Amino acid sequence: GIQVEQSPPDLILQEGANSTLRCNFSDSVNNLQWFHQNPWGQLINLFYIPSGTKQNGRLSATTVATERYSLLYISSSQTTDSGVYFCAVQSYNQGGKLIFGQGTELSVKP
Amino acid sequence: GAGVSQTPSNKVTEKGKYVELRCDPISGHTALYWYRQSLGQGPEFLIYFQGTGAADDSGLPNDRFFAVRPEGSVSTLKIQRTERGDSAVYLCASSRGVLEGETQYFGPGTRLLVL
Repeated sequence: GIQVEQSPPDLILQEGANSTLRCNFSDSVNNLQWFHQNPWGQLINLFYIPSGTKQNGRLSATTVATERYSLLYISSSQTTDSGVYFCAVQSYNQGGKLIFGQGTELSVKP
Repeated sequence: GAGVSQTPSNKVTEKGKYVELRCDPISGHTALYWYRQSLGQGPEFLIYFQGTGAADDSGLPNDRFFAVRPEGSVSTLKIQRTERGDSAVYLCASSRGVLEGETQYFGPGTRLLVL
């Protein structure tokens, strides 16, 4: 089945810094979602982005489907950005299931 | 409108007992998914429904796990003869359509602890 790899596994930032999180996947996809899991465990949708670029406030994401990777950019990070960021993909002919990466744990220090 | 809801939020049970976990999807969403998340890992797919039928149950770990969605809305995940290794967060998600590529929205999860 499709493999999803996220990097880095852990990231510590000072408040105000920028960061880039990466998601590599091993096959063509028809769905790619970025989530933020907050300290209470809730998975919050950030982007639905199987291809192209989207921006939402301080966050933006780019997926280059032909090269099988996606990037999540966080600018001017805040302590509330702390938590685990997951990339999840849905591949063609694999039905509706999402396959998740292992996540990037982000800690933003004041 | 309301998001995906799950009950109970926490469940503590003893090894060998039976448990039921409930998921209420977003109103009008026809697809419903169950995932399981162990500590330090990403969620792993268990089963998904399109309407009342299980479209893919390939992620269920063994025959102790079973899920139903009798009226195409609320779903119940049932675990028989629970084992300590079943301890995890069980997440439910729903999506608008039956087509692949629809955004999935997740509930807050049920934290199951088997003693």
